Amino acid sequence: DAGVTQSPTHLIKTRGQQVTLRCSPKSGHDTVSWYQQALGQGPQFIFQYYEEEERQRGNFPDRFSGHQFPNYSSELNVNALLLGDSALYLCASSLAGGLGETQYFGPGTRLLVL
Amino acid sequence: GDSVTQMEGPVTLSEEAFLTINCTYTATGYPSLFWYVQYPGEGLQLLLKATKADDKGSNKGFEATYRKETTSFHLEKGSVQVSDSAVYFCARHAGGTSYGKLTFGQGTILTVHP
Repeated sequence: DAGVTQSPTHLIKTRGQQVTLRCSPKSGHDTVSWYQQALGQGPQFIFQYYEEEERQRGNFPDRFSGHQFPNYSSELNVNALLLGDSALYLCASSLAGGLGETQYFGPGTRLLVL
Repeated sequence: GDSVTQMEGPVTLSEEAFLTINCTYTATGYPSLFWYVQYPGEGLQLLLKATKADDKGSNKGFEATYRKETTSFHLEKGSVQVSDSAVYFCARHAGGTSYGKLTFGQGTILTVHP
């Protein structure tokens, strides 16, 4: 049973560029959440997708956008990259309506903005 | 708003020592509580969870009890191993039928020496 997968594992971009990160949820899960983890910090919630719509969003600017596909996989897009966007981006999947909605995390994509 | 506070780290122990990592949470609503572990260069792994007051989550020798009266969810292990060296995150979810984000503490670095 495949867990949550993310691609790419590492990425280097320059300021002002755009980036797309990808996530495939755990088998049987229909909800995908994205988190940003800066070095030495806990993950911060970006947004959550369910039924191909964003249903909750954290305190992140509109430069951060996402998409969920009919097969439940998801993309995170970040436009106009800033140095401060350098972080580990984590995707988590869960089953909507599950008690406490336990979220299972992928290995993350490490983004470096130069 | 929702918040989680973890004890300041890092924590350094000798093998077979007793471990406690403190975690307190805001008491709004009926949250579910989680401990996640992050090994170097990896994503987050679910360690244990509890979804209501007085529940005890346990896994791999780790335990945590959901204490509503003290709004705490402290992580304990009776005898740590070198392989337990990692960063530990306490997290809160709104719980019940709510969807949405996990709120994480800042993480506690644990180093276990032989």
